[in-house]
Amino acid sequence: EPEVTQTPSHQVTQMGQEVILRCVPISNHLYFYWYRQILGQKVEFLVSFYNNEISEKSEIFDDQFSVERPDGSNFTLKIRSTKLEDSAMYFCASTWGTAYNEQFFGPGTRLTVL
Amino acid sequence: AQSVTQLDSQVPVFEEAPVELRCNYSSSVSVYLFWYVQYPNQGLQLLLKYLSGSTLVESINGFEAEFNKSQTSFHLRKPSVHISDTAEYFCAVSARAITDKLIFGTGTRLQVFP
Repeated sequence: EPEVTQTPSHQVTQMGQEVILRCVPISNHLYFYWYRQILGQKVEFLVSFYNNEISEKSEIFDDQFSVERPDGSNFTLKIRSTKLEDSAMYFCASTWGTAYNEQFFGPGTRLTVL
Repeated sequence: AQSVTQLDSQVPVFEEAPVELRCNYSSSVSVYLFWYVQYPNQGLQLLLKYLSGSTLVESINGFEAEFNKSQTSFHLRKPSVHISDTAEYFCAVSARAITDKLIFGTGTRLQVFP
């Protein structure tokens, strides 16, 4: 069964460093998302992406964040200068884009900012 | 805008007992409704969804949820839980637009005891 994959599973970085979180969505999906979950809190939407551009972004997704689909398979989230409060689990999701919106989630990347 | 309220942060229950996890939503537009499950150290998995039609939806592992439009609720139930049902359960909504983001509740931790 096709699935969304994410790498790395755990990333530790120093405050102020840049990180890139990688996702490989399901191959025939067209819409891509990033969500995050701070420990003990709810899952929050960050950004949606379609046709090589951002469809929607939340207030969390400030200028420190960027997304890219550099090739036909990868979907990346870059945090330019990490802050302590960026520590969270980051989930990638994708969907085909039919009449209903079933999103398939990856296993997540745990980002720890020291 | 949509919002989701899960009133119970934790629900302890003994094995083989029934359980209900409550979810209420708020939206000015028609929505799709979802329950996602997160097992320890794993990503989010879709448990069941309400899109249209019958207000009672079921999952393959015995969970069911009923959409109640008048009460804006989508409570999750299982008549007899197993130890393996121990997990975090998230209720989510999205506007009935293709590819709209998911708005999650704060989650309910179901702990099943032997």
